[in-house]
Parts: sequence; C-alpha cells; structure tokens
Amino acid sequence: GNSVTQMEGPVTLSEEAFLTINCTYTATGYPSLFWYVQYPGEGLQLLLKATKADDKGSNKGFEATYRKETTSFHLEKGSVQVSDSAVYFCALSDYVGNYQLIWGAGTKLIIKP
Amino acid sequence: ETGVTQSPTHLIKTRGQQVTLRCSSQSGHNTVSWYQQALGQGPQFIFQYYREEENGRGNFPPRFSGLQFPNYSSELNVNALELDDSALYLCASSLGGSGTGELFFGEGSRLTVL
Repeated sequence: GNSVTQMEGPVTLSEEAFLTINCTYTATGYPSLFWYVQYPGEGLQLLLKATKADDKGSNKGFEATYRKETTSFHLEKGSVQVSDSAVYFCALSDYVGNYQLIWGAGTKLIIKP
Repeated sequence: ETGVTQSPTHLIKTRGQQVTLRCSSQSGHNTVSWYQQALGQGPQFIFQYYREEENGRGNFPPRFSGLQFPNYSSELNVNALELDDSALYLCASSLGGSGTGELFFGEGSRLTVL
C-alpha cells in the first residue's frame, strides 16, 4: 500500500543553519504531497503542498519539490530560526473511494540560538 | 472566522468504558475527518464524514463510530476502550474532502486509558 517515510528526529541545528528533512513515499497512482507542521501546544497546520511532479511548494521560507523519479519530497529552508522549532510531518493524499492522508511519523526539529 | 475546536482536551478512562469526543468544524466546512495519533507517530485516518454521511474509513474496528450533525459538527465514539486506544485524537475540517490537503485541525483530545 501507499506509505510515507521521513528521517528520524530529533534534528538539532543552530540558528541560521540550512535545513533538510528527508521524505520519501510509495504510491501506486499520482498522489499530492504535503508538509504539515505542529508547533508546541498547537494543532497541525498545512505548511506547503505540491499536486504534481516537478511542482515546488513554498511557504514561510520553506520549500519542497515533488520528485517523481526519486519518489521524494524533501523539505528545505535556507536559514532556520528558533521559532521554526516544531514537529514536521510529510503526508500524501490517497484516493480509495474517498480522499485520506497517509502520514509519515514526523520529525522533531530543535533550533538552538 | 472560527477555527476547529475539540472537547474535552484531556480525559482519562478505564478499560472497557466508552468515550465521546466532540468537534466543531471551521465555519463553512462540510467535511470532517478524524485521526488517531499515538505518541511519536503520525496520524492514522479513522473516518471521514461529508454532509452527515460517512464516506471513508480507515483500518479501525466497528467500536470506533461517529456522527456528523446538520451544522457539520461531529462526534467520535469509542466503545469497549482498550489500553492501545490511548492517543491524541485529532479532528480536521475541510471543504470537499480531506485529499485536497487543505485540512484545518483542532488541537486534539488526549485520551488515556488505564
């Protein structure tokens, strides 16, 4: 079946460092891909999405490109801030008579000042 | 614009009991999805309601049931609680189905089963 695999955390970086969080997926069709973020004490928020191959999603300085050839959707940011500390989830949409999201396990990001 | 609200935020039950969790969807949204998130894992899809009808279900037993009301608010009911049901239960509302990706989540109800 469809699945999403994320790099394990926690990922600890210093402020202004470059961030990459790896995400790969397995899917039989042509899923849409998403990154959600969960800040401490808050609900999940959609960070960015891409709906077809080679699309690039971007928001708040974060980017991810839908790579069909490598089945990947890695999250990147050029210069992280302490406020980016959160748990990041990669997910894909899976139509099985209805739409539902298949999620990765999440990657905790810790940014030190 | 009112966001998604869930209640209660925390609760403790014992094995074999029943629990009802509630969710008010974001204004204008007609679809509600429920997810179970165990500690350290990603959310698992339980089911989805669209205009008061269940239109999708994940790999959860029938003791997990739900309702959606005319105002699009929703309930999740779990009967015969088991220890493994301890988790964060997330409600998400959307317009037209969860696969669009535009899910709006509440902060969840944390259930502990003893």
